[in-house]
Amino acid sequence: GAVVSQHPSWVICKSGTSVKIECRSLDFQATTMFWYRQFPKQSLMLMATSNEGSKATYEQGVEKDKFLINHASLTLSTLTVTSAHPEDSSFYICSARDVGQGAVGYTFGSGTRLTVV
Amino acid sequence: LAKTTQPISMDSYEGQEVNITCSHNNIATNDYITWYQQFPSQGPRFIIQGYKTKVTNEVASLFIPADRKSSTLSLPRVSLSDTAVYYCLVGDAGGYNKLIFGAGTRLAVHP
Repeated sequence: GAVVSQHPSWVICKSGTSVKIECRSLDFQATTMFWYRQFPKQSLMLMATSNEGSKATYEQGVEKDKFLINHASLTLSTLTVTSAHPEDSSFYICSARDVGQGAVGYTFGSGTRLTVV
Repeated sequence: LAKTTQPISMDSYEGQEVNITCSHNNIATNDYITWYQQFPSQGPRFIIQGYKTKVTNEVASLFIPADRKSSTLSLPRVSLSDTAVYYCLVGDAGGYNKLIFGAGTRLAVHP
């Protein structure tokens, strides 16, 4: 089945620095990928939709200048948390859709645990 | 996008059948019903999807009544490893629709 690889699985960074998270579709091409954030004991919250070759679409309330998304190829999307602060500590999850699989084609990465100290 | 409502939590014991019901009163004609499972510190994993009546795979069954305003995920003979959060999602099969997650149901399976 479709596989989405997310890297790194965890990262600790200092406040004020930037962190990049990668999301790769390993065996299919994904023109669209999605980024979620999940706080402890809460559900996944959609942050943005990443579109290959064009600008990402951000959900209301998500700062596009803080969470930079780049979808440079059909298999790679990156999320950069700029000038990270402790309140950005969270579990970030990406998802990609294999259009060839129709409605069942959404596959999620294993997530990235970001801790800002 | 149709909103979904599920119980916040459920408890069960090993070997029992667990049924989790999801309400989606505003489901549209083109919408499918999909269930995901999430373990702590992992991404969600697809369990099952259906449009109407009953769907069964090696993991679970999905029951959808004729009016499609609700659905029930059935997990036969649960084990401790089935302890997880289960999400019911409703969305159009076509296009590039984003998946919006509700609160989910936290299932705890006890020995």
